[in-house]
Formats: sequence, structure tokens, C-alpha cells
Amino acid sequence: QSVLTQPPSVSAAPGQKVTISCSGRMSNIGNNYVSWYQQFPGTAPKLLIYENNKRPSGIPDRFSGSKSGTSATLGITGLQTGDEADYYCGTWDTSLSAMLFGGGTRLTVL
Amino acid sequence: QVHLVESGGGVVQPGRSLRLSCVASEFIFRNYGVHWVRQAPGKGLEWVGVISDDGSNIYIADSVKGRFTISRDNSKNRVYLQMNGLTAEDTAVYYCAKDMGYAELEYWGQGTLVTVSS
Repeated sequence: QSVLTQPPSVSAAPGQKVTISCSGRMSNIGNNYVSWYQQFPGTAPKLLIYENNKRPSGIPDRFSGSKSGTSATLGITGLQTGDEADYYCGTWDTSLSAMLFGGGTRLTVL
Repeated sequence: QVHLVESGGGVVQPGRSLRLSCVASEFIFRNYGVHWVRQAPGKGLEWVGVISDDGSNIYIADSVKGRFTISRDNSKNRVYLQMNGLTAEDTAVYYCAKDMGYAELEYWGQGTLVTVSS
């Protein structure tokens, strides 16, 4: 069981919007940056969001991130079938001196 | 184009050791920390550990502490993951990843599969 809690799955229709939540504690999300990763089957994860809400070069603005207190949210608008993947949140935990990942959320675009 | 390539994976018997290597290119290697992250078959991401840019700070996940160590050779642009006392639970794809500076993993290697089996 991950210290960072994500829903196991979310789904929405093409063109719609979906949000994925990531819940933690003050020692991790509350006091550190949150990042988000996208992973397709059989491939390495890819950074989508860093420093809570910034996008690396090449990541479309359909992807957004936010943080409030001890929770973070990844938003994806204008869903495409190509967005079907697993999504993970990540952050540092100051008390554990360790990086944590959420359990992952499988996005299905119906 | 930043590039990280892991190597050293394979099939190993329980209780044995294995050393993974990660070679990096196209960035100033000595300026960045490097993480190891693993993923068991069909499971999520699990952080293994991180080594700072100069190797002076190393943090290891509790799940592997005492068995796994991380080192680096900045002259060779390489980071190593030494794994001892391997068990079936260590079977996973192991990724190395470049840290942006706040435990945010900017670039990942393609991964190397470690299978612990008799």
C-alpha cells in the first residue's frame, strides 16, 4: 500500500476532461514539490509535470497540475485515445528521506 | 538529447549479487543526482534510492536498505546499483533516472530486467 494515495482507475470519453488525485501528508506533498509521470505498457515512465504545475518542453498544455495542502491533482483536458496510460504522482518525503510514488492510476478513454 | 542506458540485468539465483550500471550522456553528469526506480511485473513504480551529484549523499529505500548500495564514477558518467542477497521479490525492471533537483525525475533510461529465480 503506497503512502501516496491515487485512485486505481479513471475513465472518460474522448474530448472530455479527467482529474487524477494524489493524497499524502505534510511530510511529503505538504512540504515538497509534486511531479507526475505517464507510462505506457512496456515503456519507461515520462515526466509530465514538475514543481507541482510546470510542464517540461514538449508536453501539451492539455496536461496540468495543481497542489493544495497535502493533495495534488493532475488534470487532462481534450482526452485522446493516445492518453490511455498509467499515471503516477511522486514526491520527496522529508521525514523518511525517501522518494515516494503513488500506486498509479490507469486512465481509460472510452 | 539526454540519454541514460542501464545494463547488467539478467537471471540470478536467490541469495546471489548483481551490479547494475547506468551510463549517461548529453548533459553535465557531475551536476545532477541520479535515482534508481524499479517496477515488478504488473506492479507500480517503487523508488530504490538516489545518489547526489558528487556522491556524498546516498538515500536508500527501507525495503532494500542493508542489501543495496549506490555509487557513481563521474569520470565515466556512470552510476551503479549493487544488489546483494537477492530474493524473488527483487524481480523487476530497474530504471535509472536523472534528477532535476527536487526528486523530480526528468529523464529515464529504458530499464533493465532483473529476474531472481533458481
